[in-house]
Amino acid sequence: KQEVTQIPAALSVPEGENLVLNCSFTDSAIYNLQWFRQDPGKGLTSLLLIQSSQREQTSGRLNASLDKSSGRSTLYIAASQPGDSATYLCAVKGGGADGLTFGKGTHLIIQP
Amino acid sequence: NAGVTQTPKFRVLKTGQSMTLLCAQDMNHEYMYWYRQDPGMGLRLIHYSVGEGTTAKGEVPDGYNVSRLKKQNFLLGLESAAPSQTSVYFCASSFSRGGLTDTQYFGPGTRLTVL
Repeated sequence: KQEVTQIPAALSVPEGENLVLNCSFTDSAIYNLQWFRQDPGKGLTSLLLIQSSQREQTSGRLNASLDKSSGRSTLYIAASQPGDSATYLCAVKGGGADGLTFGKGTHLIIQP
Repeated sequence: NAGVTQTPKFRVLKTGQSMTLLCAQDMNHEYMYWYRQDPGMGLRLIHYSVGEGTTAKGEVPDGYNVSRLKKQNFLLGLESAAPSQTSVYFCASSFSRGGLTDTQYFGPGTRLTVL
């Protein structure tokens, strides 16, 4: 059974810092990996999707990498802003039509 | 373009009562999903559908039923609610035809409390 772990569970940093969120998964036979953002009391917003054949994806200040063989992904946030405060979720999709397997998230606070 | 919408937003049930959660999407997506989110457990897949008229079980399907009679709607039913079904329920949809079309779009959630 696929398991997804996110480290750290919580992180608080001053505004302007670059930071890295980590995600690991136990079964490397994934189809893709997705990073989401969740604000309190809200739904999930997709940030980046990396296909299993890709090594990284970029969107603005966000960069996600994937090392499928080692079962790891990182989300790099450059020049953090208070508006980046949220819970960040990593999720993997296995083969076939199954849904996503989620990690428990990293709760991020950016201090003004 | 409303994206994915969920009805209702909040609901309180008594043990043994039944209810249906409605998910609707206007993006012409083939795939739809129901997840539940519990503190300390993360999101877990309940049921999903790969097209109109199809449904399949996810990780935690017991106590729930689903129907996809129309492509744009995915219903989640609780026949006899139990306190263990207290949770936040999220619906999601995607094209799932490979590549970036696999991106899942989520609704705002339904907060359900079973007393």
